[in-house]
Amino acid sequence: AQSVTQLDSHVSVSEGTPVLLRCNYSSSYSPSLFWYVQHPNKGLQLLLKYTSAATLVKGINGFEAEFKKSETSFHLTKPSAHMSDAAEYFCVVSSGTYKYIFGTGTRLKVLA
Amino acid sequence: NAGVTQTPKFRILKIGQSMTLQCTQDMNHNYMYWYRQDPGMGLKLIYYSVGAGITDKGEVPNGYNVSRSTTEDFPLRLELAAPSQTSVYFCASSWNPLEDKPYNEQFFGPGTRLTVL
Repeated sequence: AQSVTQLDSHVSVSEGTPVLLRCNYSSSYSPSLFWYVQHPNKGLQLLLKYTSAATLVKGINGFEAEFKKSETSFHLTKPSAHMSDAAEYFCVVSSGTYKYIFGTGTRLKVLA
Repeated sequence: NAGVTQTPKFRILKIGQSMTLQCTQDMNHNYMYWYRQDPGMGLKLIYYSVGAGITDKGEVPNGYNVSRSTTEDFPLRLELAAPSQTSVYFCASSWNPLEDKPYNEQFFGPGTRLTVL
């Protein structure tokens, strides 16, 4: 069975400070892991994905995520937040088949 | 390459009316999905399809029907619309069997915002 837990429903950071959005997963198989971003009133856009080639994954807009098997985590980070990063972020786990399990989302607020 | 397209973008229905939400993808994906997203909430899976002619229920299928007669199209039918179906509906697709990719992300459409009054 698979599951994903986003540990924070809301995160607030000041512009220019680091961002950390936390995601823990559970999977019986080697998982695929994804982070999606959803800006207000928009669809979901893929930020990055873990493909087992490297544990540190770089995505768009300066975001990164590190796959830590021992901690079953896939936290999303960015060194310096920008106002345009304010959005909802979803962590997703898949076993590589047609099933995708979504986290409940983390709303990121960026303060000026 | 348009990706996943959805029509209409917005719709207001009266209670008891019916409608079909259209979804088309041009990426030769086998898997297609319908999700709903209520205000301030995450996504809930309504129905999914693993190929033409094959569909199955997700978490919240009641009040909806789907069909998949072609690889490209996956329409979602609402019969007897109810206020509880007011939501934003997203279609998604994944996995082209001709691509040698072990990890396949979902591609999402822009959504249909539905209000039932």
